[in-house]
Amino acid sequence: AQSVTQLDSQVPVFEEAPVELRCNYSSSVSVYLFWYVQYPNQGLQLLLKYLSGSTLVKGINGFEAEFNKSQTSFHLRKPSVHISDTAEYFCAVIIYGGSQGNLIFGKGTKLSVKP
Amino acid sequence: NAGVTQTPKFQVLKTGQSMTLQCAQDMNHNSMYWYRQDPGMGLRLIYYSASEGTTDKGEVPNGYNVSRLNKREFSLRLESAAPSQTSVYFCASSEALSGLASETQYFGPGTRLLVL
Repeated sequence: AQSVTQLDSQVPVFEEAPVELRCNYSSSVSVYLFWYVQYPNQGLQLLLKYLSGSTLVKGINGFEAEFNKSQTSFHLRKPSVHISDTAEYFCAVIIYGGSQGNLIFGKGTKLSVKP
Repeated sequence: NAGVTQTPKFQVLKTGQSMTLQCAQDMNHNSMYWYRQDPGMGLRLIYYSASEGTTDKGEVPNGYNVSRLNKREFSLRLESAAPSQTSVYFCASSEALSGLASETQYFGPGTRLLVL
């Protein structure tokens, strides 16, 4: 069975510092990979996704992620965070070629940006 | 263009009561989903509908029923609420046609349900 592991449940960081949120997945087949962000008291919105092609994917708000097939990882990075990036971030995976392709979510990482 | 809307935003129920959570999307999407979000658990799929007239169970369907009323609307019903169903419920939709599993899902703002 596929699963997604987000290695850190909480990440505190100071404003303008770089941040990396880690995500690993387990799958013996190809996958699509996603990062979603949830701001307080809101629904989720897509940050970025990897389907194929370049392993470095750029998303909204200056975030990027790199797909590493050998390490089965899809870590999210931002070189300089802002207070407004405080949110919960979810990594998710879809099985490639599935007829329905349901998202499997990690448990989330709460990013707290301090002034 | 409102995207995905959910009603109500917040609800308190007593154990054994029933209720229906409503979801509608105005993006002409084919697929719709219901998730529940619990602290430290991420989001778990309850039911989904790949197209109008079809529904399928997700990871945690017990205690819930769904209806895909038409292409726009997908409701979630709790027939006899239990405290274990206290959660935040999210509806989502995607354009996803069969085989195109990569489509982005768009989420509603959520319904916060408390079962006493």
